[in-house]
Amino acid sequence: EVQLVESGGGLVQPGGSLRLSCAASGFTVSVNYMSWVRQAPGKGLEWVSVIYSGGGTYYADSVKGRFIISRDNYKNTLHLQMNSLRVEDTAVYYCVRDNSGPAGPWGQGALVTVSS
Amino acid sequence: DIQMTQSPSAMSASVGDRVTITCRASQGISNDLAWFQQKPGKVPKRLIYAASSLQSGVPSRFSGSGSGTEFTLTISSLQPEDFATYYCLQHNSYPLTFGPGTKVDIK
Repeated sequence: EVQLVESGGGLVQPGGSLRLSCAASGFTVSVNYMSWVRQAPGKGLEWVSVIYSGGGTYYADSVKGRFIISRDNYKNTLHLQMNSLRVEDTAVYYCVRDNSGPAGPWGQGALVTVSS
Repeated sequence: DIQMTQSPSAMSASVGDRVTITCRASQGISNDLAWFQQKPGKVPKRLIYAASSLQSGVPSRFSGSGSGTEFTLTISSLQPEDFATYYCLQHNSYPLTFGPGTKVDIK
């Protein structure tokens, strides 16, 4: 079964760091484009970042310089390192396989709450 | 960055109604547009890609059209399970951008 399972969400203070992980099964992360998409409580969807099969990356302006997308090919896992977190980064974060944009499967979502 | 707008932002409709949602891009994006459906508490689901191609497993009552800057999602006969929020997404250039969403609820 093609599946993504996320972990690593939680409560963090402003200025803190958190790393999300997304373990894939049924397909190989390294040969696919993989994206992160987030959704603040009660708000719409916001694309966050992508990593190409070749290793190139892109970020939304709102997270550029603070977030880093990466992957572990041996563990078939995608990561999102989030630094200098702000209250406005509070959201459910989804990992998703990308094929002409987020296509699927999607992870179940990891809630990140930034609050003092 | 390419900005996406949607109209209407919300609508009430009845089962059996024909529903049309419009998405506009701030600049031409060819047919690099997708439509997503999201129900409360659920992950988004892609319905349409390349502006008019139906994702596998999606009912044929959903259709998409358009190119350039104006796109539409049409539900030919609204079903109870279609009450949800719909988002468009441009994937022509980074950063990818979603529209603000259209909430379709029961009249």
